[in-house]
Amino acid sequence: KAGVTQTPRYLIKTRGQQVTLSCSPISGHRSVSWYQQTPGQGLQFLFEYFSETQRNKGNFPGRFSGRQFSNSRSEMNVSTLELGDSALYLCASSLDRTGNDEQFFGPGTRLTVL
Amino acid sequence: DQQVKQNSPSLSVQEGRISILNCDYTNSMFDYFLWYKKYPAEGPTFLISISSIKDKNEDGRFTVFLNKSAKHLSLHIVPSQPGDSAVYFCAASGGNQFYFGTGTSLTVIP
Repeated sequence: KAGVTQTPRYLIKTRGQQVTLSCSPISGHRSVSWYQQTPGQGLQFLFEYFSETQRNKGNFPGRFSGRQFSNSRSEMNVSTLELGDSALYLCASSLDRTGNDEQFFGPGTRLTVL
Repeated sequence: DQQVKQNSPSLSVQEGRISILNCDYTNSMFDYFLWYKKYPAEGPTFLISISSIKDKNEDGRFTVFLNKSAKHLSLHIVPSQPGDSAVYFCAASGGNQFYFGTGTSLTVIP
């Protein structure tokens, strides 16, 4: 069974631009969560989607948004990029995030904002 | 506010010895705890978990201990192997979302 895939793996943008990251979950997984990893901050939860609906949201500004499609694939968008948005963005999928399902992570997208 | 804390950013251990990684949490509503291992350029991979109804869970060389009164969990790796060198994240959940610690970088010296 294929794992979680994320595209692109690396991205370089400049301040003020916007970016869209993509995540394909494991086949059959309906929940997709997004995390931001920065040095010293661990993994910070962005949001979680289940059946095309945002089910949970972390404490990030409205510049960070996402969506999920009917095939469970998810996209994350960041508008008006800031230098501090440079990070590794990780996507994780699980069968059903109703409680404590194990999350499977993708390799991440490394975003650099210049 | 960091609800899950890993106060040791790094740890070095000799091959064959025990590695002990620690994690503290603040939210008493957390009822499920996990450890993930992360190699460079890869996403975290699940290692072991424990429910709040238990105080110990073993899987081969890996054992997780949970002390609910102290809001503390630890991961023991025995014996440590060079391939265990990675960043280890603990995570906690109360059902809505996972909260991750900042990670501990483990180096196992051959």
